[in-house]
Amino acid sequence: EDKVVQSPLSLVVHEGDTVTLNCSYEVTNFRSLLWYKQEKKAPTFLFMLTSSGIEKKSGRLSSILDKKELFSILNITATQTGDSAVYLCAVPPFGNEKLTFGTGTRLTIIP
Amino acid sequence: DTGVSQNPRHKITKRGQNVTFRCDPISEHNRLYWYRQTLGQGPEFLTYFQNEAQLEKSRLLSDRFSAERPKGSFSTLEIQRTEQGDSAMYLCATPRDSLYSYTFGSGTRLTVV
Repeated sequence: EDKVVQSPLSLVVHEGDTVTLNCSYEVTNFRSLLWYKQEKKAPTFLFMLTSSGIEKKSGRLSSILDKKELFSILNITATQTGDSAVYLCAVPPFGNEKLTFGTGTRLTIIP
Repeated sequence: DTGVSQNPRHKITKRGQNVTFRCDPISEHNRLYWYRQTLGQGPEFLTYFQNEAQLEKSRLLSDRFSAERPKGSFSTLEIQRTEQGDSAMYLCATPRDSLYSYTFGSGTRLTVV
C-alpha cells in the first residue's frame, strides 16, 4: 500500500530560524509529490515536484525531491509567525485520481 | 475565499441522525473531490466526480455515505445514521492549474455527540 511519512510530527522554533521538514514516500510508479500548507481550515497548495534535484522556490520556501532515496524536503528560511501551520506532503498513486497524504508536520514559530 | 465554498462550516448532530454537506466550486470544474480529515491526520480520500459521474469511492465510504453531483457543478455528501467515528472535517476540492494542485474548501467540521 502506498505510504507517505512525514517528520518531525511537530517542531517549535524561534522567529528567524531556518527549518527543514521531511517527507518520505513509498508509491507504485511515482508521478509527483506535492506540499500543502494548512493553517486553520483549507490546505493551500505550495509546490508540486516531479523531477529529482530541481529545486522549487517561492519566497522563503523551497523544496527539492530525491527520487532515488524516495524523499523530499521543504525548507523555510527566516521563519515568521505566519509560517505557523501544518505542512502536508502528498503523492498520487499511479493510475489513481486521489492523493495520499502524510500526517503532516505541525510547525510553531515563537516570536 | 478559497474558490470552493462549503456549507455549513460547523455541524453538531446527535448520533443516529442524518446530515448533508454541500460543496460549491466558484468556477466550473469537471472534477470534484471529497476528503475527510480527523484530528492529527492528513486528509483521506473519500470519493471523486468527473462531471456528474462518481468515478471512485474509497473503502472509507461505507454504505451510510452517499455523494452526488447532479448537474456537474455543486456536490452534496450525506451521512446517514451518524456515528461518533464520523466526527471529522469534511473537505471538498477542485483541481487548479494541474490535476493535483487542488483548491480546497474551508471544510465542514462535523461533531457527532
